[in-house]
Amino acid sequence: DTAVSQTPKYLVTQMGNDKSIKCEQNLGHDTMYWYKQDSKKFLKIMFSYNNKELIINETVPNRFSPKSPDKAHLNLHINSLELGDSAVYFCASSQAGGSSYNEQFFGPGTRLTVL
Amino acid sequence: GENVEQHPSTLSVQEGDSAVIKCTYSDSASNYFPWYKQELGKRPQLIIDIRSNVGEKKDQRIAVTLNKTAKHFSLHITETQPEDSAVYFCAASTTDKLIFGTGTRLQVFP
Repeated sequence: DTAVSQTPKYLVTQMGNDKSIKCEQNLGHDTMYWYKQDSKKFLKIMFSYNNKELIINETVPNRFSPKSPDKAHLNLHINSLELGDSAVYFCASSQAGGSSYNEQFFGPGTRLTVL
Repeated sequence: GENVEQHPSTLSVQEGDSAVIKCTYSDSASNYFPWYKQELGKRPQLIIDIRSNVGEKKDQRIAVTLNKTAKHFSLHITETQPEDSAVYFCAASTTDKLIFGTGTRLQVFP
């Protein structure tokens, strides 16, 4: 009965590799997000999708490509991994914003380590 | 765009004391102000939120106050307990995204 789930929980890989992180929510929410949390714990939004449509892209390098096959899933593919990509990546979901912003529910996070 | 500043970055209190964390935001259009608690190795979880049409909200030992004129909002935790130890994040948003503060590491000593 997990609300927002991510796989994998840990990802260790070499520089230059390509990897993907998957996220699924069973809350019936319309909006999903990817956040990056660096070693200093700063939480920064990367992308947001509403009903499979990209609505926020926060000047993230184009090595990062989100994909939303349906509104319950938002995946993140990262090409040519760099040392600076090492971080914890959180997926989150919320009911549609519009004029009434709603609570975001976070997944458990994926700790990515690039060697 | 929105910018959220949060202070202090670390806060140590004795069990039973109160803790206060303060945030300021820059975008006067922001209308939603949640607070998240993140325990070590866990996901951020919402503990309380406030919308711009309300000045104060309380939930047991936790309260949040909002001063829209000054663009300040604060989290107050009373009668702190060791299980309150975590990183706390404030955030502000308009309609499309949350901008988080830089976090406050709260340590409650028994």
